[in-house]
Amino acid sequence: AQSVTQLDSQVPVFEEAPVELRCNYSSSVSVYLFWYVQYPNQGLQLLLKYLSGSTLVKGINGFEAEFNKSQTSFHLRKPSVHISDTAEYFCAVTLGLDFGGYNKLIFGAGTRLAVHP
Amino acid sequence: GAVVSQHPSWVICKSGTSVKIECRSLDFQATTMFWYRQFPKQSLMLMATSNEGSKATYEQGVEKDKFLINHASLTLSTLTVTSAHPEDSSFYICSAREPTSGTPGGSYGELFFGEGSRLTVL
Repeated sequence: AQSVTQLDSQVPVFEEAPVELRCNYSSSVSVYLFWYVQYPNQGLQLLLKYLSGSTLVKGINGFEAEFNKSQTSFHLRKPSVHISDTAEYFCAVTLGLDFGGYNKLIFGAGTRLAVHP
Repeated sequence: GAVVSQHPSWVICKSGTSVKIECRSLDFQATTMFWYRQFPKQSLMLMATSNEGSKATYEQGVEKDKFLINHASLTLSTLTVTSAHPEDSSFYICSAREPTSGTPGGSYGELFFGEGSRLTVL
């Protein structure tokens, strides 16, 4: 069975500092990996995804993530954060495509990023 | 990207009543939709997979008679919480899967999420 572990429940950081949100997954087969952001009382917005190819994936809002198969990790990074990046971030995994498209997503517990002035 | 809309965004009801939440894909047809539940400060837990024209597939531990899912059209799935109780209070989020184009470089069934519906049962 697949599982996703987000090692940090909360990450406080000062504005303009770099940040890394950690995500490790467990699966016996190849997976597709995602990072989503959730603002208070809202749904999820896709930041980026890894399907195949280059292990360094660039997403929206200046975020990027690197897929490391040997360490089964998919850590999210941003070189300089803004106050507006304060939100909940979720790492997710799916076995990938079935006949109809993406299969169901399994989410990590989430990491609360708090950016302080 | 594609738009998925949920209604209502907020609902408060009395214990014992039933509440219906709608999930609509506004600009694409979704043969598959997923329903998630999120408790405060926690992750999203998949409740069920909703397939148009067939019965929903529920995750282990989810009461199918409690959480009725209907996917009667390609753009609408509904979740009905029957005889709601305070412990059913939660944030419910749906996601809809856009159809695959079947061609290289085309759509590959991306998932899009609704804004969520917050249910409070008094």
